[in-house]
Amino acid sequence: EDKVVQSPLSLVVHEGDTVTLNCSYEVTNFRSLLWYKQEKKAPTFLFMLTSSGIEKKSGRLSSILDKKELFSILNITATQTGDSAVYLCAVEMYGGSQGNLIFGKGTKLSVKP
Amino acid sequence: EAGVTQSPTHLIKTRGQQVTLRCSPISGHTSVYWYQQALGLGLQFLLWYDEGEERNRGNFPPRFSGRQFPNYSSELNVNALELEDSALYLCASSLLRLSHSYEQYFGPGTRLTVT
Repeated sequence: EDKVVQSPLSLVVHEGDTVTLNCSYEVTNFRSLLWYKQEKKAPTFLFMLTSSGIEKKSGRLSSILDKKELFSILNITATQTGDSAVYLCAVEMYGGSQGNLIFGKGTKLSVKP
Repeated sequence: EAGVTQSPTHLIKTRGQQVTLRCSPISGHTSVYWYQQALGLGLQFLLWYDEGEERNRGNFPPRFSGRQFPNYSSELNVNALELEDSALYLCASSLLRLSHSYEQYFGPGTRLTVT
């Protein structure tokens, strides 16, 4: 069965801390891995990763994919209270499951002032 | 650029009733996806439409159905509502993705409560 597992499920840090969120997957016909931030309702797109070892960066956020070990990490440096959200990892596959993103349950990040 | 829009924002229905949710994709996007986010279960894929055709379907019963119109907007219909259908229904859109991966952009969702 295809699955995406995120850890930790929740995390509480203080402003200025650096956090690392983990996402591991077991899927057939891997195509891409995506990270989203969900604050209230609409998940907001952060990154799409398709190749191993190539870091993607956007401001204080960065992410990398390891297709050999089947995982990805999302790093947030110098955290701010505005980073508080649920971070979702999703995997897209080729073939019969194309178009279907399989989501992990998310990591709830709380950043305290 | 306007994002994905959904209507209504909230909806309360009684068990056994039928409901229709609506979604307008980002301009230029031809693919529309529907997901269910029930409490404690995470996002579950429902349906994918592209160019008016249903391209893929998640593991949901046939009473979940939908369609895509020529302007690429979409409807999700749920018949014979059950209590466990209470959830946030999210619509997403992307460019055509047959040969290339494109990220999906999500709308704000419709909160459905079934009593």
